Amino acid sequence: NFMLTQPHSVSESPGKTVIISCTRSSGSIASNYVQWYQQRPGSSPTTVIYKNNQRPSGVPDRLSGSIDSSSNSASLTISGLKTEDEADYYCQSFDSGIYWVFGGGTKLTVL
Amino acid sequence: EVQLLESGGGLVQPGGSLRLSCAASGFTFSNYAMAWVRQAPGKGLDWVSTLSGSGESTFDGDSVQGRFTISRDNSKNSLYLQMNSLRADDTAVYYCVQENGVGGTWGQGTLVTVSS
Repeated sequence: NFMLTQPHSVSESPGKTVIISCTRSSGSIASNYVQWYQQRPGSSPTTVIYKNNQRPSGVPDRLSGSIDSSSNSASLTISGLKTEDEADYYCQSFDSGIYWVFGGGTKLTVL
Repeated sequence: EVQLLESGGGLVQPGGSLRLSCAASGFTFSNYAMAWVRQAPGKGLDWVSTLSGSGESTFDGDSVQGRFTISRDNSKNSLYLQMNSLRADDTAVYYCVQENGVGGTWGQGTLVTVSS
């Protein structure tokens, strides 16, 4: 088993860029795809990144995903921040390719 | 358009049982694995169970193994979660999720409250 660790919260100003990290505790970050979910207050989660760096249709290209084997982490980058980006963000991967593992979530505040 | 509508949540006493349902539409239900994910009030996401499209393979999270059973009826385009021996820490919104290879589509959730 492994854990995914995210910062509890991040904040940035509109128009700026923010990076949310997701660090895998054991095993290679590259061994299983990473997904990112956005959850606005009072709403269910929606997928913003799948398979490390793919965007579902309708997700703006201001949001991008990547993985870094040197730090064993995944990152969600949001550029040109808008107030509508204010939400909780969760990373997720798979253990043994089957069992879902979530990060603890990061609250993004757009000041 | 994919739609997932959960139902069956409510208030139940500790030790009690509850059955959740998820009605699916807008896609060929039997072609997709489905999952339940829960979220306790003010907390993060917690994977519960996954069931293959055929219904032959199930996978459960550690916190619910032996107490919860996921099932499906492909003829009714429906997913279920039978929850037994409920505890206070099972209190959460339960989401139905279509595993579609592009991150999944989530329903709106149904709230389960375990309290005396």
